[in-house]
Amino acid sequence: EADIYQTPRYLVIGTGKKITLECSQTMGHDKMYWYQQDPGMELHLIHYSYGVNSTEKGDLSSESTVSRIRTEHFPLTLESARPSHTSQYLCASSERGSTNEKLFFGSGTQLSVL
Amino acid sequence: QKEVEQNSGPLSVPEGAIASLNCTYSDRVSQSFFWYRQYSGKSPELIMSIYSNGDKEDGRFTAQLNKASQYVSLLIRDSQPSDSATYLCVVEGDSSYKLIFGSGTRLLVRP
Repeated sequence: EADIYQTPRYLVIGTGKKITLECSQTMGHDKMYWYQQDPGMELHLIHYSYGVNSTEKGDLSSESTVSRIRTEHFPLTLESARPSHTSQYLCASSERGSTNEKLFFGSGTQLSVL
Repeated sequence: QKEVEQNSGPLSVPEGAIASLNCTYSDRVSQSFFWYRQYSGKSPELIMSIYSNGDKEDGRFTAQLNKASQYVSLLIRDSQPSDSATYLCVVEGDSSYKLIFGSGTRLLVRP
């Protein structure tokens, strides 16, 4: 079973609030990712990291930011949440250098912005 | 045109039948292909990967790849109700970080 954890599992907040979605993994993986998924739709990459102090934006434009100060921790922050940010956010990790890009996913955070 | 195309389904099969899930992709240089399973309300999990043309078998699952036709498929033999889920076709894009997800095919296995 994958050792990657996301908190909170569900979050309902008001517009304009600052929020941080937590993601931690205990597998020592260098690569970590944040995906956004709406019901019945594709996963879209919003941020990724290849290691400590490495962060990049993904393909989907996002107003969120991430940080990677420690290998195991990859939090995502929204400075001012809006209803358009309502979605499922999935964190994942994988091993660097592996040709088999097996992603281990966390259980996700379902965010609702009112 | 989407980069990875899947029929959204639902694909409904009786228990014990073979379920055939199909996927086409647009990037001819893609080299790595994956099938993830996602149960309702859960996160995706990898079930198969395939890199070379032909078939790859793992238990009841067989992945098939045809790079010339840009086509990937997943066969599930002896389908079980527990196989009912959404199956995501994933293609590695033009860099190692870029995994392109299809929107998935929902499979329903009827007891």
